[in-house]
Amino acid sequence: GQNIDQPTEMTATEGAIVQINCTYQTSGFNGLFWYQQHAGEAPTFLSYNVLDGLEEKGRFSSFLSRSKGYSYLLLKELQMKDSASYLCAVRDANNAGNMLTFGGGTRLMVKP
Amino acid sequence: DVKVTQSSRYLVKRTGEKVFLECVQDMDHENMFWYRQDPGLGLRLIYFSYDVKMKEKGDIPEGYSVSREKKERFSLILESASTNQTSMYLCASSLGTDSNQPQHFGDGTRLSIL
Repeated sequence: GQNIDQPTEMTATEGAIVQINCTYQTSGFNGLFWYQQHAGEAPTFLSYNVLDGLEEKGRFSSFLSRSKGYSYLLLKELQMKDSASYLCAVRDANNAGNMLTFGGGTRLMVKP
Repeated sequence: DVKVTQSSRYLVKRTGEKVFLECVQDMDHENMFWYRQDPGLGLRLIYFSYDVKMKEKGDIPEGYSVSREKKERFSLILESASTNQTSMYLCASSLGTDSNQPQHFGDGTRLSIL
């Protein structure tokens, strides 16, 4: 089975940097995804990590350490529109197809 | 862009009814998924399918069934709806079995069972 943990809520200030952590336990790690979900909308894909290190995409970066079962999503130059839930999801090679297990999500509130 | 379309944004049904939730994707994806999303519990996988007429149970299949007669369409069926099935239901699709392919989600169906 898999266990994925992320903080329930975080608050940050517009223009600042915020780091959202995700820890996981899985028997056959085969990739980690981050999704953004605005209230009442579909989750949208942000990033994918399968090797250790940092993946950068504009204001968003995602880091992975497989030995520690740890990832984080880094959001720079926060904007009000970044207020959303951020979902961490892990793929296990022992699962069929492209099946993912999701964490409970972190609700980020950006304040002026 | 990938388009995953769910037939209804909001649906209200009564206890004991048979409920059909429809999902269609337009990108010829092999894999399709049904999740439910509840506060504090996150996204939980109900069923998924990796090919036409193929289906696999997810983490919480009890009380649900699915149908995949055509590649683009994946239906979720509540055989006899109960109040604990009130939830947000999300459909997703993805390409092949490559691990780096993300799942693309529909806008969700908020289902209320009275």
